[in-house]
Amino acid sequence: DIQMTQTPSSMPASLGERVTISCRASQGISNYLNWYQQKPDGTIKPLIYYTSNLQSGVPSRFSGSGSGTDYSLTISSLEPEDFAMYYCQQYDSSPPTFGAGTKLELK
Amino acid sequence: QVQLQQSGAELAKPGSSVKISCKASGYTFTSYYISWIKQTTGQGLEYIGYINTGSGGTNYNEKFKGKATLTVDKSSSTAFMQLSSLTPDDSAVYYCARSPHPGSFAYWGQGTLVTVSS
Repeated sequence: DIQMTQTPSSMPASLGERVTISCRASQGISNYLNWYQQKPDGTIKPLIYYTSNLQSGVPSRFSGSGSGTDYSLTISSLEPEDFAMYYCQQYDSSPPTFGAGTKLELK
Repeated sequence: QVQLQQSGAELAKPGSSVKISCKASGYTFTSYYISWIKQTTGQGLEYIGYINTGSGGTNYNEKFKGKATLTVDKSSSTAFMQLSSLTPDDSAVYYCARSPHPGSFAYWGQGTLVTVSS
């Protein structure tokens, strides 16, 4: 199985700050990389698919990039509702696998 | 709007089985796969498998073969996952998700907590 390593595991940040979360795959995944947001109540929301495509309704402050084994999620200016868990997930190879998550916390 | 409504929390004894449901609405049920994902504090998010809601065909993560059985009832637009021979390691939140293609999860249910305890 492809291992997905997310960094950092937690990140204190301030409102309005620009933040970047990284995700590294144990082998190349040809941009087959999604990002999800999970709120404390357990609700999971897809944010980005195929590395850089925003899901419908996702604010434009979210963006994704990367290639090969290295990918990232950037939030350009943090809003209060952005403090949550974030997960990357590859679907280049079966089974699909997830990163361990990044907890974005209010500083 | 697309909704996936999962059944409520389950408390089960070791060695027993549980069956979780995921009722879909707001779209044509048989046009998308339904996938299942397990979440625990220790192991994070793990993919269990998917079912082709039109044909009933299934695909399982090797890790969950023999543990999970996926079925659908097209008449009620509901997908089911049965977990058998439960152990405490099966205690988790289980999510269903609508998949436009295997491996991608575009809409998620709210999750079902399964607790295995004697």
